[in-house]
Amino acid sequence: DSGVTQTPKHLITATGQRVTLRCSPRSGDLSVYWYQQSLDQGLQFLIQYYNGEERAKGNILERFSAQQFPDLHSELNLSSLELGDSALYFCASSVSEGGRGYNEQFFGPGTRLTVL
Amino acid sequence: DQQVKQNSPSLSVQEGRISILNCDYTNSMFDYFLWYKKYPAEGPTFLISISSIKDKNEDGRFTVFLNKSAKHLSLHIVPSQPGDSAVYFCAASANTGKLIFGQGTTLQVKP
Repeated sequence: DSGVTQTPKHLITATGQRVTLRCSPRSGDLSVYWYQQSLDQGLQFLIQYYNGEERAKGNILERFSAQQFPDLHSELNLSSLELGDSALYFCASSVSEGGRGYNEQFFGPGTRLTVL
Repeated sequence: DQQVKQNSPSLSVQEGRISILNCDYTNSMFDYFLWYKKYPAEGPTFLISISSIKDKNEDGRFTVFLNKSAKHLSLHIVPSQPGDSAVYFCAASANTGKLIFGQGTTLQVKP
């Protein structure tokens, strides 16, 4: 158990809908990261928040957005869903902001999103 | 543009022998490298990391070697155990929180 929790575990929805994925980081971790793992791709970095502020952005679609709240939990919002958005979404957390040669991230169990 | 590549999709070794998983990268700005293990239906689990200022880091049965001139790193598992059977990902970062992952190598350790 990494200490990172994600809800829900599974989500099935229809095209065009909007969903929210939730992540609680390990106790004491200030950074939260979101990754997407599709069937034909490896883990793709989406976005990072550190202590409530956006720190780094990957190839995140404009239909996707995220935020980190004062209690440090984070939510990933996916809207106007398409079939291709079906994937595993992982949240990770770390103590540091990343960089300066230290960046161990600890991953949650993931949310499996299926868009029908 | 695949900046981190794991060219072997799978590897099979006998229990007790050495497992060597390889990873190549193209971005010379990467300064930190990590290996993760992933079981089905679970998130990746951090295994071991290495800074670009080192060429070797050891933790129990796991050793990571970094060859900066060749832009190559490898993970050695000695001795391999059946419980090591999983997908192994290498990842790299360039002084940011963003991790770039390879495609993964599936390791099977046969009893």
